[in-house]
Formats: sequence, C-alpha cells, structure tokens
Amino acid sequence: AQKITQTQPGMFVQEKEAVTLDCTYDTSDQSYGLFWYKQPSSGEMIFLIYQGSYDEQNATEGRYSLNFQKARKSANLVISASQLGDSAMYFCAMRERRNQGGKLIFGQGTELSVKP
Amino acid sequence: KAGVTQTPRYLIKTRGQQVTLSCSPISGHRSVSWYQQTPGQGLQFLFEYFSETQRNKGNFPGRFSGRQFSNSRSEMNVSTLELGDSALYLCASSLTTGPGNTIYFGEGSWLTVV
Repeated sequence: AQKITQTQPGMFVQEKEAVTLDCTYDTSDQSYGLFWYKQPSSGEMIFLIYQGSYDEQNATEGRYSLNFQKARKSANLVISASQLGDSAMYFCAMRERRNQGGKLIFGQGTELSVKP
Repeated sequence: KAGVTQTPRYLIKTRGQQVTLSCSPISGHRSVSWYQQTPGQGLQFLFEYFSETQRNKGNFPGRFSGRQFSNSRSEMNVSTLELGDSALYLCASSLTTGPGNTIYFGEGSWLTVV
C-alpha cells in the first residue's frame, strides 16, 4: 500500500502567487514525522520543513508552511509568494517510530514550475 | 557548518564492475542512511547506520552493502554492477534516530552503468 501519496505530478504557478502541494499519508504508528524536501535538477535534496505527529501547531519556515490535518492524514505544503527559483521537484516524506526512526518513505513527488 | 558531503559526484562504470560511494555526515550526526533514486522506482531506502551498526535495511539484493566508520563517515558498495543500478545515490544524516530528527541530504552521486 502506498504510504505517501502526492497526487499532483506537475503544477504551474505564477510568480509571486501562493501554491499548495498535496500530500496524504498512511500509518498506524502514533509517533511519526513528516518532511518536505525540494530537489532541483542538480539532484541535491534540500530540507524545507518538518511536522511532528504530536505537534499541535502547523509548522512554518519562512515562505513555507505545512497545513497538517491529522484526522485526514494530510500534510500539504504551502509556498507563499512563489519565486522562479522555486521551480523544482518537491517530495513529501514520512518517518515512523516503528522503523526505529531511520527510514524515510517518500512520495512520487510533484514537479513545480513557476512562471514569470 | 558543512553539510553532508558525498563523493564522487559523477561516475561511469561498466557492467560487472564494482563501485564504492563515500559520505561524510554533518559534524556531530551519528545516523547515516542511503537512498537510491531512479525515474522508474522513485526514492528507495537502501540502509541506515547508527554508531557503526546497520539499523535498517531496504529491499535490495546483497550486491548492495554499506558500512559506517567510528567517525560516522559511511561508504556504500555495489558489486557486480547491472545497467539497472544506474541511479542517483543520496546519502543523508541526522543527529540520531527517531522520527523527530531532521534528516539532511547530500548532493548525491550520479552513477551511470554502461
């Protein structure tokens, strides 16, 4: 069963507008962490934001915020005021306590293109 | 603070050869994990090391192996290379294990098998 689902293979957004990238997850673990990463064409996986399963507030990091809806098992990434440099692949990932913390499970990714 | 460093960045190998990739984690990080990324399979977990011990292993054949040294640096080895091993290999580190620990990645090693 797919544990991380990103339903948007590709998305376009106009520069300076906000965009939401969807992510749903599946786990029976009570303790888990959710991550978003950005991967430009160079290949490096850049950490953006983290949300813990017990965190009551949505995580924010600069222009990035995570819309965490635990009951719906969704962890959508919101990028405000998009910039041309935001064009990249974006991956949602989960780390479960049952794996002793080490293993990240990734979604298939969303390719974001920012138009000038 | 230096990030995760992977070497080499690019390499081309012939089928049947073996390859060793190196990873230096962020200073102070003791957990190192490896991932393979291909267009067809996406990102797949290879293995994780913590304090020189393999803690987790993904579903890969025995040709894929790794180790971690006492300074937390890690290497992964792929023997008897196959065309399908062509991929981006990413190393990641975190302070320790546990779902709350942020995982940081390196720039990756692009392996092409011909």
